[in-house]
Amino acid sequence: KNEVEQSPQNLTAQEGEFITINCSYSVGISALHWLQQHPGGGIVSLFMLSSGKKKHGRLIATINIQEKHSSLHITASHPRDSAVYICAALQNTDKLIFGTGTRLQVFP
Amino acid sequence: DTEVTQTPKHLVMGMTNKKSLKCEQHMGHRAMYWYKQKAKKPPELMFVYSYEKLSINESVPSRFSPECPNSSLLNLHLHALQPEDSALYLCASSQSSGEKNIQYFGAGTRLSVL
Repeated sequence: KNEVEQSPQNLTAQEGEFITINCSYSVGISALHWLQQHPGGGIVSLFMLSSGKKKHGRLIATINIQEKHSSLHITASHPRDSAVYICAALQNTDKLIFGTGTRLQVFP
Repeated sequence: DTEVTQTPKHLVMGMTNKKSLKCEQHMGHRAMYWYKQKAKKPPELMFVYSYEKLSINESVPSRFSPECPNSSLLNLHLHALQPEDSALYLCASSQSSGEKNIQYFGAGTRLSVL
């Protein structure tokens, strides 16, 4: 069993839909990253959070430390949101433990 | 400026070649990272430099040799690679090592070993 699990693995949506991606972890962490990777490579850091909720534009990330669970929400989804979304747990070292990613496709 | 610049974007090399990947950031970050990513898999940490000193080596084969000549630059020297080393190599940086420092990633170098 991976230390960081994501669900679903694959997700398709129609433009405008509200999307939720879930991340559960089984290790102690100091913070959790949400990352976005478009086809062809580069990774963009969306959020790093250690408690509560953060919002940036149409993206919202929440974390529940007691339940070891985080969610990434996308409101009013758009085809340009199509990407792989990865959660990664930061331990007290410099090491990020990555989830396996959620591949999102948003159709017009 | 939150940019981490990696060069080259693509690299094809033979198993006997020596090449280097370069990573640069001008955000004043003191921690820099090399990751390897195979297709449809999450990145795997290779090395971490903190204040220009190697702090983590994830048991990476010696055919990969990292170098941090100054706080803005990180190199990965490649020698006698194998075809299975073909992957996307990602560099990242963060303000400092340790807790709660968001990592900024470069676009990666896509390496093919023939």
